[in-house]
Amino acid sequence: AQSVTQLDSHVSVSEGTPVLLRCNYSSSYSPSLFWYVQHPNKGLQLLLKYTSAATLVKGINGFEAEFKKSETSFHLTKPSAHMSDAAEYFCVVSDDNQGGKLIFGQGTELSVKP
Amino acid sequence: DAGVTQSPTHLIKTRGQQVTLRCSPKSGHDTVSWYQQALGQGPQFIFQYYEEEERQRGNFPDRFSGHQFPNYSSELNVNALLLGDSALYLCASSLLAFEETQYFGPGTRLLVL
Repeated sequence: AQSVTQLDSHVSVSEGTPVLLRCNYSSSYSPSLFWYVQHPNKGLQLLLKYTSAATLVKGINGFEAEFKKSETSFHLTKPSAHMSDAAEYFCVVSDDNQGGKLIFGQGTELSVKP
Repeated sequence: DAGVTQSPTHLIKTRGQQVTLRCSPKSGHDTVSWYQQALGQGPQFIFQYYEEEERQRGNFPDRFSGHQFPNYSSELNVNALLLGDSALYLCASSLLAFEETQYFGPGTRLLVL
């Protein structure tokens, strides 16, 4: 069965410093992986997705993630944090790579200090 | 281009009651999935509808049921509400045959008293 583990429940950075949100996955085959962001009292917005085309995936708002099969990781990064990046971030794996069930991590809350 | 819409935005019910939540998918999408997000947790998959049939189901009891209409909109019904059903209910739509990305609506927050 597929699963994801987000290694930090809360990350705090200063504005203008790099962001690193860590995610490890478990899958019996090459997975489809996603990062979604959820701002307070809002729905989920897709940041980026990996579907085996390129290991470095660029997303919206300056975020990117690198798929590392040897480490079973899919960490999310951004070179310079902005106050508006403060939100909950979810690492997600597709259960069947066929558009069905998505399996979410527990989430990482990102705080950005001025 | 309208995204995924859900109604109502908030709902308060009492234990034992029944509730119906509604979802309209993104234009051009044919598949609707429902998720439950309890406070402080990641969303959990309830079920997915495609061509008016339940295509997949997660580990939720039969009290949770759904429907998809010919225009691809969908309803989630929950019977015999429990306090533990209090959560944010998220609807996601996708175009199943072409890509697996699911696009989420803003959710319906259900409080069961």
